Amino acid sequence: KAGVTQTPRYLIKTRGQQVTLSCSPISGHRSVSWYQQTPGQGLQFLFEYFSETQRNKGNFPGRFSGRQFSNSRSEMNVSTLELGDSALYLCASKSGGPGNEQFFGPGTRLTVL
Amino acid sequence: GEDVEQSLFLSVREGDSSVINCTYTDSSSTYLYWYKQEPGAGLQLLTYIFSNMDMKQDQRLTVLLNKKDKHLSLRIADTQTGDSAIYFCAEIRNQGGKLIFGQGTELSVKP
Repeated sequence: KAGVTQTPRYLIKTRGQQVTLSCSPISGHRSVSWYQQTPGQGLQFLFEYFSETQRNKGNFPGRFSGRQFSNSRSEMNVSTLELGDSALYLCASKSGGPGNEQFFGPGTRLTVL
Repeated sequence: GEDVEQSLFLSVREGDSSVINCTYTDSSSTYLYWYKQEPGAGLQLLTYIFSNMDMKQDQRLTVLLNKKDKHLSLRIADTQTGDSAIYFCAEIRNQGGKLIFGQGTELSVKP
């Protein structure tokens, strides 16, 4: 099975712009979660989608949003970018197995100038 | 609080055992995980343990769980230079997809 894929791998944007990141989960996985990784704050949970519905949400401002499509692919959007949004954005898909394992993609490195 | 705590650095010699420690806060966490992150890469799931277990062994990896003290450890036997990476422990909250991560322990393996 192919792993979790994320596109694009790298992005450079300027303050005030918006950005959309894409994630394709492992085939058969219906849950997709998003995380932000920065040197200062570490790994922080953004939100989780399951069957096209947001199931969990972290403590991020409304500029961060997401959605999930019927094929389980997910996108996250950040509007009105700030310098502090520069980070590695990781997507994870979850198996339905007993271990509840989440498998991560390689991430999208976003740089805001 | 919500914090999962790990020491930040560990340095060992090739061939030695490495032990990475973690303390977590939520006694209702059902699964606890160890992830590995190499430079420029995403997170690789190494192993996990269910909260009703004390120990889990998987090849060179041994996970120990002390639920009373909310302490988790990862032992890597015969550590190799390829094991150099950042290791994260994580607990899962609310049975959903929300993982709470520690700060990560940077393991440096010297030849």
